[in-house]
Amino acid sequence: DGGITQSPKYLFRKEGQNVTLSCEQNLNHDAMYWYRQDPGQGLRLIYYSQIVNDFQKGDIAEGYSVSREKKESFPLTVTSAQKNPTAFYLCASQGYTEAFFGQGTRLTVV
Amino acid sequence: AQSVTQLDSQVPVFEEAPVELRCNYSSSVSVYLFWYVQYPNQGLQLLLKYLSGSTLVKGINGFEAEFNKSQTSFHLRKPSVHISDTAEYFCAVSPTSGTYKYIFGTGTRLKVLA
Repeated sequence: DGGITQSPKYLFRKEGQNVTLSCEQNLNHDAMYWYRQDPGQGLRLIYYSQIVNDFQKGDIAEGYSVSREKKESFPLTVTSAQKNPTAFYLCASQGYTEAFFGQGTRLTVV
Repeated sequence: AQSVTQLDSQVPVFEEAPVELRCNYSSSVSVYLFWYVQYPNQGLQLLLKYLSGSTLVKGINGFEAEFNKSQTSFHLRKPSVHISDTAEYFCAVSPTSGTYKYIFGTGTRLKVLA
């Protein structure tokens, strides 16, 4: 069954901690994306990667980091530098014309 | 640069009534257009897309959209909604060449009332 798997579905973080969100795809897509979703603001691009070992900052990259060591995997680290990390995070990969999305990770700072 | 405007943040409608969700875009380059649906605490699912050709595009769940180049619009319609259509709907554009960077609208929350 092809698709994008994000884990965990829910994540709680204490202030000052780094956390890593997982995103794996078996669609053989080259390009992958991370978005942040807040109520009433739509989706905002954090980072994207068009090929292994290469990635670019999106519109709101501050306080986040990524890696792309394998085509299938594009993990996102939310660092302690991100002042307001509570949000819904969506990973996507690029098909021939449209994006395919994972089910999301809801991150809450406690 | 591209931008997408969804004119209504919330649209309440009674079951079996028709609905239209509005989307306008701005772009200096040629774009593909998309509508996605998001159910609570889930990812986005593609409803339909316009790549080229016929300006009336049919999608899943009985939805359709019409591309109007002169008005730079891509409104989503359904002739008769169901309770299960309650969700958030996002319009998006992506350049037809170069980096596939999507620009999303802020979403329209459709609430279908019994």
